Amino acid sequence: GAVVSQHPSRVICKSGTSVKIECRSLDFQATTMFWYRQFPKQSLMLMATSNEGSKATYEQGVEKDKFLINHASLTLSTLTVTSAHPEDSSFYICSARSGGIETQYFGPGTRLLVL
Amino acid sequence: AQKVTQAQTEISVVEKEDVTLDCVYETRDTTYYLFWYKQPPSGELVFLIRRNSFDEQNEISGRYSWNFQKSTSSFNFTITASQVVDSAVYFCALRGGGSQGNLIFGKGTKLSVKP
Repeated sequence: GAVVSQHPSRVICKSGTSVKIECRSLDFQATTMFWYRQFPKQSLMLMATSNEGSKATYEQGVEKDKFLINHASLTLSTLTVTSAHPEDSSFYICSARSGGIETQYFGPGTRLLVL
Repeated sequence: AQKVTQAQTEISVVEKEDVTLDCVYETRDTTYYLFWYKQPPSGELVFLIRRNSFDEQNEISGRYSWNFQKSTSSFNFTITASQVVDSAVYFCALRGGGSQGNLIFGKGTKLSVKP
């Protein structure tokens, strides 16, 4: 299967700081990338969908000014959590697919802890 | 509306037992895609299988097999001769037809295989 990487795998930051998470498709061009959030023992919650070169589409209830998503190239998307607070602590997972009906592949996730 | 139901929250078996994970889905789309992903304790979602709605053939891959039944809207997953390494959370997911469809996840089934 295709490979998606995420960096960093784990980050601890102070409240009020911003954190950037990178998601890369390593061996395919990702026309669409997705960002999910997962709380302990729960399923994945879709935050936003981004197509290369266009603005991300956010799910209802997700603050676009807090979770900035950039999909600047066919292999890279970034999620920036701005002014992070302890309630933003979670497991963030990105996903990518190469075409409209193709399979989505997931990155290894980033554990964010905001103190 | 689209929905995926994984009624089994947790399953515990002893090594070498067979185990079936249930997945029932709802969709009004005539074309759709079904997936199973494995999430081990490390957190990364591993793609296992994708099935298109127009292909009801069951599939076997080693110790894994999948039973797709459109008549009952089910896509069940069986692990034969389970092993400790099979311990993980397993997610069933549905995606409607069309290039903009997003994955709809079930709540997951946590499988514990004890030696």
